[in-house]
Amino acid sequence: NAGVTQTPKFRVLKTGQSMTLLCAQDMNHEYMYWYRQDPGMGLRLIHYSVGEGTTAKGEVPDGYNVSRLKKQNFLLGLESAAPSQTSVYFCASSRTGANTGELFFGEGSRLTVL
Amino acid sequence: SQQGEEDPQALSIQEGENATMNCSYKTSINNLQWYRQNSGRGLVHLILIRSNEREKHSGRLRVTLDTSKKSSSLLITASRAADTASYFCATGNYGQNFVFGPGTRLSVLP
Repeated sequence: NAGVTQTPKFRVLKTGQSMTLLCAQDMNHEYMYWYRQDPGMGLRLIHYSVGEGTTAKGEVPDGYNVSRLKKQNFLLGLESAAPSQTSVYFCASSRTGANTGELFFGEGSRLTVL
Repeated sequence: SQQGEEDPQALSIQEGENATMNCSYKTSINNLQWYRQNSGRGLVHLILIRSNEREKHSGRLRVTLDTSKKSSSLLITASRAADTASYFCATGNYGQNFVFGPGTRLSVLP
């Protein structure tokens, strides 16, 4: 049981380049989330999904897009990377959401934008 | 905006001592959770306490919740070097997303 898997684990981009982070979970969870973690800032929610085919904006959605075409996958895209998007990105999933559930996290994807 | 705020930001203790971290939040919640993050890794769920609970135990962890003060504390007893990590509180409520605080960095010295 792999849990939540993120790829890639590391990536270096130049300003203006695009890329996609992939998150896969094998727990049949409805809810999936993308967070970014910056020093001293804790985790900030970028986008989330409450089920296959749905997406919604979180706290810091600008510059990112997401898709959830399959229940087990949640993709985070950067169309034109900026240095301010240098961060560690975490994907998480939950069976029931924030009302009652807990989050299961991936190991993170470290992105550097030059 | 962040709901949870952990205190202190950093804590250093000797192995065998107890470590206490606090979390304050601003609005009503349905549950409060604590997570641990080892350096360079993802967050791992430790314990969840519901708004109608006052105290919960899990191994060497004890969590308290005071909804009147909008605060929670995490106590780690008989700490070990392996407890060195960052600890985050997160609040949950119906119709809302999890909201994390900035975390407490705990260093347990051998």
